[in-house]
Amino acid sequence: EDQVTQSPEALRLQEGESSSLNCSYTVSGLRGLFWYRQDPGKGPEFLFTLYSAGEEKEKERLKATLTKKESFLHITAPKPEDSATYLCAVQPTGANSKLTFGKGITLSVRP
Amino acid sequence: KAGVTQTPRYLIKTRGQQVTLSCSPISGHRSVSWYQQTPGQGLQFLFEYFSETQRNKGNFPGRFSGRQFSNSRSEMNVSTLELGDSALYLCASSPWDRNEQFFGPGTRLTVL
Repeated sequence: EDQVTQSPEALRLQEGESSSLNCSYTVSGLRGLFWYRQDPGKGPEFLFTLYSAGEEKEKERLKATLTKKESFLHITAPKPEDSATYLCAVQPTGANSKLTFGKGITLSVRP
Repeated sequence: KAGVTQTPRYLIKTRGQQVTLSCSPISGHRSVSWYQQTPGQGLQFLFEYFSETQRNKGNFPGRFSGRQFSNSRSEMNVSTLELGDSALYLCASSPWDRNEQFFGPGTRLTVL
């Protein structure tokens, strides 16, 4: 069975203090790994898709990387508006495969 | 392009009742997936529809059902509501040629 574990569960940073969020996964074959951001009371917002080990993608202060067992979401010089829950999901290979989500990491950035 | 829309946004029901939630995908998206989100279990997959056919199903009881119409709009139904069905129900759509799913704002269901 596919599994996704995110750590830590919660992270508090000072504005400008860079850090990384971890997503460990177990899947028989990876079709894609997805990162989402979710604000309270809203639906998840798509951030990145990674397909193969070694791949990296960036968007503003966020950079996602992928290895064969983990993905990291690096946040450089975060701002209070980066406070949110960050979700990781994997999609296995195979026809009509479903996404399995981790439980998310709640990030708080203090001014 | 307009995003995924879900109606209603909030719903309060009592145990034993049934409920129908609606989802309109992004224009041109033919795949619609439904998820249940709770603080304890996180996001759990309910089912996926593509071109009016259910092509994947999660581990939920038969009380949870869905359908998709020819215009790709989708509905999910929960019969005989239980207290544990209280959750945020999210709908996501994706284009036929890409894997990314784009989520709606969700329907917050409270069962009393």
